[in-house]
Amino acid sequence: DTGVSQDPRHKITKRGQNVTFRCDPISEHNRLYWYRQTLGQGPEFLTYFQNEAQLEKSRLLSDRFSAERPKGSFSTLEIQRTEQGDSAMYLCATSRDTAYEQYFGPGTRLTVT
Amino acid sequence: DAKTTQPPSMDCAEGRAANLPCNHSTISGNEYVYWYRQIHSQGPQYIIHGLKNNETNEMASLIITEDRKSSTLILPHATLRDTAVYYCIVRGPPGAGGTSYGKLTFGQGTILTVHP
Repeated sequence: DTGVSQDPRHKITKRGQNVTFRCDPISEHNRLYWYRQTLGQGPEFLTYFQNEAQLEKSRLLSDRFSAERPKGSFSTLEIQRTEQGDSAMYLCATSRDTAYEQYFGPGTRLTVT
Repeated sequence: DAKTTQPPSMDCAEGRAANLPCNHSTISGNEYVYWYRQIHSQGPQYIIHGLKNNETNEMASLIITEDRKSSTLILPHATLRDTAVYYCIVRGPPGAGGTSYGKLTFGQGTILTVHP
């Protein structure tokens, strides 16, 4: 257990539905990242928060995806109108500004049927 | 961030040293070499990082060549629990701004299988 928690751990949804995932970081970590991992591939960067500010978004993050980090604490990742291609593991990672290592949560596995 | 090349898979006998190579020939002067691993169905786990000197911690050792174009992660006494995908990543120093903001760029990694 790294101290980063994600909820839910598993989500099965039907195509076209909206889903929301939550990440709770280690309390003093002001950097928060979202990654997506499909089967057999390494994680891919989606977006980054410094406190409550979203400072970088990947081109992978289509307009159906939105992420927030109100008050610079927990973060949510919402996917609207899910598609089968959204099926993946969604990983959250956090770190301090000056830290070398990122701490990853256990991930949320999304299956879109 | 510089690109890395790793063998897709390696085997190791339990109790022996596992030596995982990584090529990063385009690494630039201020970029660090990081190693993470991912055990099945878990999030990646930080192992170690280094700039140019060899590094050791309780998990592993990192040997970086003098020209910094390649490195080797050493697990000195591999156990079955070390079976995982190992990722070698090159990245700028923490606190670096600009377009990277410290994101990690993962390749496909090396699947290390430790067998009895």
